[in-house]
Amino acid sequence: RKEVEQDPGPFNVPEGATVAFNCTYSNSASQSFFWYRQDCRKEPKLLMSVYSSGNEDGRFTAQLNRASQYISLLIRDSKLSDSATYLCVVGNDYKLSFGAGTTVTVRA
Amino acid sequence: GAGVSQSPSNKVTEKGKDVELRCDPISGHTALYWYRQRLGQGLEFLIYFQGNSAPDKSGLPSDRFSAERTGESVSTLTIQRTQQEDSAVYLCASSLASGTGQETQYFGPGTRLLVL
Repeated sequence: RKEVEQDPGPFNVPEGATVAFNCTYSNSASQSFFWYRQDCRKEPKLLMSVYSSGNEDGRFTAQLNRASQYISLLIRDSKLSDSATYLCVVGNDYKLSFGAGTTVTVRA
Repeated sequence: GAGVSQSPSNKVTEKGKDVELRCDPISGHTALYWYRQRLGQGLEFLIYFQGNSAPDKSGLPSDRFSAERTGESVSTLTIQRTQQEDSAVYLCASSLASGTGQETQYFGPGTRLLVL
């Protein structure tokens, strides 16, 4: 079983729409949680950390459910520039485990 | 300031040849990581350096893979006797320190390796 599993998508949404997706992780001892963004043929970049109480960063909202071992990301008012692959990342000490990513395409 | 840099950006080699990939982390970052990303897949952890020491080499796929770091700076990942299944993007990341898992890892642009 993969450590982090994500729906690969793609999610194809119009500008201005809300899109949400999640991932599950297998290691209940995981300590840290992140969403990274990866554009085509580019390196991953941190989008936001995910905290137990849930957190927002502008149009992005992340939630963590430790009991069910899943993490979600919601994007409001989608922009064309939000088109990317979103990587769910789970950390245990220094080691990060990456999901394969969820592809989001925002169309005009 | 300068980010993580990697060289070469692309490498095409013949099966059986050795390749050396280089990573220059952000200045002052003591932790350095190597990952591999195959097409359409997530990042696979290869090795972690704290300073010049590698406390975790558990992700290295075989004894054909080795890595070193010198001067708490540059790291090289060497793949000996390359095989076609080694074809992937090799990503390097660095962070200020480590142990907590809370620190942001900053990635370089990667080296795209193609083994013919």
